[in-house]
Amino acid sequence: GAGVSQSPRYKVAKRGQDVALRCDPISGHVSLFWYQQALGQGPEFLTYFQNEAQLDKSGLPSDRFFAERPEGSVSTLKIQRTQQEDSAVYLCAVQRGFGYTFGSGTRLTVV
Amino acid sequence: GESVGLHLPTLSVQEGDNSIINCAYSNSASDYFIWYKQESGKGPQFIIDIRSNMDKRQGQRVTVLLNKTVKHLSLQIAATQPGDSAVYFCAETPNSNSGYALNFGKGTSLLVTP
Repeated sequence: GAGVSQSPRYKVAKRGQDVALRCDPISGHVSLFWYQQALGQGPEFLTYFQNEAQLDKSGLPSDRFFAERPEGSVSTLKIQRTQQEDSAVYLCAVQRGFGYTFGSGTRLTVV
Repeated sequence: GESVGLHLPTLSVQEGDNSIINCAYSNSASDYFIWYKQESGKGPQFIIDIRSNMDKRQGQRVTVLLNKTVKHLSLQIAATQPGDSAVYFCAETPNSNSGYALNFGKGTSLLVTP
């Protein structure tokens, strides 16, 4: 969506491979969220950043998942040793005031 | 745990008819509710929102109704068009201020037939 660019749009990874997914807010947003959306399901919260600080990572499913936002703008979600259950769309969202704006997501398929 | 869910997974309506999509939530502390539309291959797109101190809010062709007594939310789309075909999600958060994550329901697939 407008205001949030995610790359790559699609990623196929072999099981056990590490992946990095990028979120680039086009204009400055303080709050940034990552969500995981399994096929046919609603998005589920993974982690939240306020500027460069990761204030909530309670939704990360395992220690294979790691997110960072070192300069308070671009964020990267990294998944180590990918497994088939990691296959999903990973959405990034930014918040300004009451509004949340979502990117188009990265579809990750682990084979 | 607390959850947000939808009554119907799919809804098929004829073009020009009105559509009603329902959502139940269980968190009595929910303060802010949003309806999203998601088309294939895209992220959720904001449709309309409502705060817990309101029971109705209208937008262009859409109305959201909130019944806090029974923890029920609905989205009404007037004169449904083929372009309205998508999956619709309700989402809630306990606080509309910055930094609170949204809790999504599973979604309803709306199919508009000519």
